[in-house]
Amino acid sequence: NAGVTQTPKFRVLKTGQSMTLLCAQDMNHEYMYWYRQDPGMGLRLIHYSVGEGTTAKGEVPDGYNVSRLKKQNFLLGLESAAPSQTSVYFCASRDRQGGNQPQHFGDGTRLSIL
Amino acid sequence: RKEVEQDPGPFNVPEGATVAFNCTYSNSASQSFFWYRQDCRKEPKLLMSVYSSGNEDGRFTAQLNRASQYISLLIRDSKLSDSATYLCVVNVAGNTGKLIFGQGTTLQVKP
Repeated sequence: NAGVTQTPKFRVLKTGQSMTLLCAQDMNHEYMYWYRQDPGMGLRLIHYSVGEGTTAKGEVPDGYNVSRLKKQNFLLGLESAAPSQTSVYFCASRDRQGGNQPQHFGDGTRLSIL
Repeated sequence: RKEVEQDPGPFNVPEGATVAFNCTYSNSASQSFFWYRQDCRKEPKLLMSVYSSGNEDGRFTAQLNRASQYISLLIRDSKLSDSATYLCVVNVAGNTGKLIFGQGTTLQVKP
């Protein structure tokens, strides 16, 4: 059981380039999330989705877009990468039932923008 | 003011020690509470949920005080393997499951 899988694990981009981070989960979870984590700060929510075909903004959505065309996949796009987007990105998923359900995380994507 | 605040530490303790971490949250409508553990350069993993009556899992005890908006984690008989960052996490948005993370408290257990 793979759980939550993120690809790629590492990437270096130049300013202005675009890329897409892929998150895939095999637990049939309804809810999926994208976070970024920067030194000295907690995880901050970028965008999230409560079901196939739906997305919503989180705390820090600017500069990112997302899509949830299939229930198991949640894509995070950077249209024009900026050095401020250098970070570790985590995807998570959660079962729909009950507010006390934990989130399950992928092992992260380390992104550097030069 | 941050929505979830923790002392970042680091807490340096010897093996076998008892250590306690505290966390405060600002939104009185917060509904669910968790402690996650994060090892260096790894993903966060759920350590335990925190219930109103307090709960225990082996050497770990979590407490919640809704009136004071305060959460605690107690680790007894610390092991070297407990060295990690402990994240206080709060669900403030009902069933969409959006979580607010504290910045984490770093624990280093020394032999």
